[in-house]
Amino acid sequence: AQKITQTQPGMFVQEKEAVTLDCTYDTSDQSYGLFWYKQPSSGEMIFLIYQGSYDEQNATEGRYSLNFQKARKSTNLVISASQLGDSAMYFCAMREEDRDDKIIFGKGTRLHILP
Amino acid sequence: DSGVTQTPKHLITATGQRVTLRCSPRSGDLSVYWYQQSLDQGLQFLIQYYNGEERAKGNILERFSAQQFPDLHSELNLSSLELGDSALYFCASSLISGGANVLTFGAGSRLTVL
Repeated sequence: AQKITQTQPGMFVQEKEAVTLDCTYDTSDQSYGLFWYKQPSSGEMIFLIYQGSYDEQNATEGRYSLNFQKARKSTNLVISASQLGDSAMYFCAMREEDRDDKIIFGKGTRLHILP
Repeated sequence: DSGVTQTPKHLITATGQRVTLRCSPRSGDLSVYWYQQSLDQGLQFLIQYYNGEERAKGNILERFSAQQFPDLHSELNLSSLELGDSALYFCASSLISGGANVLTFGAGSRLTVL
């Protein structure tokens, strides 16, 4: 079974609109961490935001925020006021902390921002 | 520049050959991770080292092996290469294991097997 599921292979959004990228995860661990990374066409992996399983507040970093719903096992990334430079591949990832330390990535969502 | 150095950036080789990919983690980071990204795919976790010891293993093929040296740099060895091994191989490092420790990625080594 997939540990990380990103159901939107691609999205097209108008510039300046808000975007929500979906991510659901599967774990039986009590302690885990959730990450989002951005991969532009240049190929590098850029860390965006982190949410711990025990964090009570949704994480926020600038224009990025997480809609963390623990009971539903989802951690959706919200990008406010999208910009052309936000066009990229976005990956959700999870570290299950009760066992080993590997970080598993989803298959990603390709986001296209339209001018 | 992320501080994680991967060499070579590009590598073209033939089937059946063996290659070594090298990674120098960010200064002070003790943990190194290796990932494989095939065309238009997500990142597949291969293996993780922490301070010289293997910490976690993914679906790494038996033809692949890795190690982390005392100076904390790491090498990923790929042998008996097949066409399907063509991919972008990422190394990432973090200060310690676990928790909120964020992975910092290198620029990747793009391997093409002909």
